Amino acid sequence: GENVEQHPSTLSVQEGDSAVIKCTYSDSASNYFPWYKQELGKGPQLIIDIRSNVGEKKDQRIAVTLNKTAKHFSLHITETQPEDSAVYFCAASGRGYQKVTFGIGTKLQVIP
Amino acid sequence: NAGVMQNPRHLVRRRGQEARLRCSPMKGHSHVYWYRQLPEEGLKFMVYLQKENIIDESGMPKERFSAEFPKEGPSILRIQQVVRGDSAAYFCASSPPSQDTQYFGPGTRLTVL
Repeated sequence: GENVEQHPSTLSVQEGDSAVIKCTYSDSASNYFPWYKQELGKGPQLIIDIRSNVGEKKDQRIAVTLNKTAKHFSLHITETQPEDSAVYFCAASGRGYQKVTFGIGTKLQVIP
Repeated sequence: NAGVMQNPRHLVRRRGQEARLRCSPMKGHSHVYWYRQLPEEGLKFMVYLQKENIIDESGMPKERFSAEFPKEGPSILRIQQVVRGDSAAYFCASSPPSQDTQYFGPGTRLTVL
């Protein structure tokens, strides 16, 4: 089955700096890669996703990149703000079936 | 359009009791997924259901756990004879037919005393 590795497990940045979270996946058939943000005591919220036919996608301060050859994808948050502090999960799922495999999560702390 | 709803939000049970967790998917969503999250850990897939059908239960323990998604009403995750190790947050997600994006509910936090 699919295996998703995520790092770092914790990340502290100064407000205004950028944050980068990286993930690798094992199943070359995976073609959908969502990112979720989870605040304390809440459910995961989808923040951005990317599909295998696209190399990069951007939404305001958030961008994701995908390298299918190397089987890794990354989340980039620019101009970080204290409200970006949360746990971020990467995930991967394969074609024709919607089972999603999650990474272990990255706890991001933005220091004011 | 209301999001995915789960109830109860918090559930306390004593060892040996039964826990019933409910999930109402978003309107128009016919696919439901259950995940378990232990403290400081990621989300682990448990089961994937469509209306009246279990599609994949490979992540669900073979004993004491069951799930259903009836034609009418919410999806239910049932844990019989709970043990302390069942204490976790249980999340439900839903998606529309033929789409892979999953939307999560707020979760049910189960505590077993």
